[in-house]
This record gives sequence, structure tokens and C-alpha cells, in this order.
Amino acid sequence: DGGITQSPKYLFRKEGQNVTLSCEQNLNHDAMYWYRQDPGQGLRLIYYSQIVNDFQKGDIAEGYSVSREKKESFPLTVTSAQKNPTAFYLCASTGGRGFNIQYFGAGTRLSVL
Amino acid sequence: GNSVTQMEGPVTLSEEAFLTINCTYTATGYPSLFWYVQYPGEGLQLLLKATKADDKGSNKGFEATYRKETTSFHLEKGSVQVSDSAVYFCALSDGDYGGATNKLIFGTGTLLAVQP
Repeated sequence: DGGITQSPKYLFRKEGQNVTLSCEQNLNHDAMYWYRQDPGQGLRLIYYSQIVNDFQKGDIAEGYSVSREKKESFPLTVTSAQKNPTAFYLCASTGGRGFNIQYFGAGTRLSVL
Repeated sequence: GNSVTQMEGPVTLSEEAFLTINCTYTATGYPSLFWYVQYPGEGLQLLLKATKADDKGSNKGFEATYRKETTSFHLEKGSVQVSDSAVYFCALSDGDYGGATNKLIFGTGTLLAVQP
């Protein structure tokens, strides 16, 4: 079945540590997105990528980094510069220009030890 | 800039009650409008969408009509079930249909709790 796979489901970060969240899709979608979800705040866009080897900052990119070396993969690194990383992180993809339905993964819950 | 405003929750209903979750938006151009649903511990799933004024999106007994004159896209269901308990998000596409980024702007979500 086609879909978006996020891993791990739960992740713990120690002080000063960088952690990487995985997002893989087999939908052959061009565009991919990372969102952060906090209670009562809805979803906020961290980064997005419309095509391989290209990505743009979203509304809350500080303390995060991404790469897009393959069409199927869009990993998110939460760096030590992100002082409040505890949140639920969601990855999404869409077919690209003219196709604005986003499909979501099951999410990764990140907590700080 | 573009924005979405949803009614605050939680909304608590008895089974078979009528549901309305209000959503209004501010946007330039002609965005598409969406309702997504999130079950506990899961990602978001598209519930329904509408791409132009007066369109009605519907799915699983839920409906919403794109009202340009009132800039609204209220979600309704005639008879809710316990299995409908979830968080519901209203969203709009950031730019015209076919826009370059296909970004979505989400409301803050409304928690629905349906009691048997």
C-alpha cells in the first residue's frame, strides 16, 4: 500500500543532542512538508520541499534542518539550538503543483530527557 | 496574510446529536478549503474538501459548504457516533488552486468527544 512512513514513533532527546526524524513516502509525490503540533496550537510549518535538492523554510524553521537528496525521503533534524523541541512532528506530501491535498504520516512524538 | 479561525473546543455531544463546528477564513484569491480529522495518536486524514464557492464537500456523513459571502466552511453531521470522537482541523490552501507551494494553513483544531 502506498503511504507515508514516519519513524520512530517515539523519540527522546538529551540536552545538547541533535536527533533526526525519518519520513519516507512511496506515493511518487514531488512535494513534502514537516509540521510541528503543540496542544491547542494546530499545525505549524517547519520546512517544505517542492522538488529534490530544494527546500524552503516555513514559519518556525529556527533550530531545525532538513535535506531532500531523494524524492522518497525528507528527514528532519532537530538541532540543539531548538530549545523547546517537545512536540508531535508530522510529515506530509502532495503530488505537487495543482495537487493541494496533503497526505500525512502517523507522526513522531519527541520528548526531552 | 491568510488565516483560519475555528471554534474552540472541546465539543461534547451525546450519540446521535447534531454536530456543527464553525470555521471562518481570511484569504486573498480563491483558496481551496479542507477539513482534516486526527484520531488519538495518529496523523491527519483528509475528511472532505471544496475548491470553489458554493461547492459542498461530503464524506462519511459529514458535510461542509464553501461560503464565499460569509468566508465560512462550517462542518456538520446530522447524527454523530462515538467513533467520530477526534480532533477536527479546518484548513485552506495558501494561494490559488494550482499555486506554486501548495502550502496549507490550519486552524487550531476542535476536539469532539461523543458520549454513548
